[in-house]
Amino acid sequence: QKEVEQNSGPLSVPEGAIASLNCTYSDRVSQSFFWYRQYSGKSPELIMSIYSNGDKEDGRFTAQLNKASQYVSLLIRDSQPSDSATYLCAVIWSGGYQKVTFGTGTKLQVIP
Amino acid sequence: DAGVTQSPTHLIKTRGQHVTLRCSPISGHKSVSWYQQVLGQGPQFIFQYYEKEERGRGNFPDRFSARQFPNYSSELNVNALLLGDSALYLCASSYSDRSFSYNSPLHFGNGTRLTVT
Repeated sequence: QKEVEQNSGPLSVPEGAIASLNCTYSDRVSQSFFWYRQYSGKSPELIMSIYSNGDKEDGRFTAQLNKASQYVSLLIRDSQPSDSATYLCAVIWSGGYQKVTFGTGTKLQVIP
Repeated sequence: DAGVTQSPTHLIKTRGQHVTLRCSPISGHKSVSWYQQVLGQGPQFIFQYYEKEERGRGNFPDRFSARQFPNYSSELNVNALLLGDSALYLCASSYSDRSFSYNSPLHFGNGTRLTVT
């Protein structure tokens, strides 16, 4: 079983709609959760971090964490064509060092 | 402020050769990690270094090695290159103390695209 799972997509949404990206992770002592955006041929860029259950909002982005369900999501409101990219879910587990485990990413396409 | 810088940006090598990739972290960051990303996959953890000590190692063969210098910059070395080593190699730094605040996100450089022919 993969440690961090994402639907590879592509997820297509019309411009202005809400894009919902989901991620599940395996049952281990999880610490911190991150969402990265990666444009084709570029390196990952940090969008959001979330550490406790509930919602965290930053501009058009909202991260949601439910540790009981081992689930983290990212909502993008008012989606723009410039949001078209691959979104990587990342998890840090305890272990004495900072190993970040990434999902395979979900490709988002925002249709003008 | 400068972000994480990596060099070179692109590299073409032949099988069996050796390669050295370099990384300079964000000023004030003592932790440097290396990741390998093949097309269509998420980044895979290779190493983490903190204050010149290896703190973690991923599931990669001994052909992969790294080190960190007193100025916190780092090198990743890969010996006896295989075709399967072709990937984007990402360096990331983070602000961590010795006890490792797990809330510290990784900040990535632009990566080195390695092609092995």
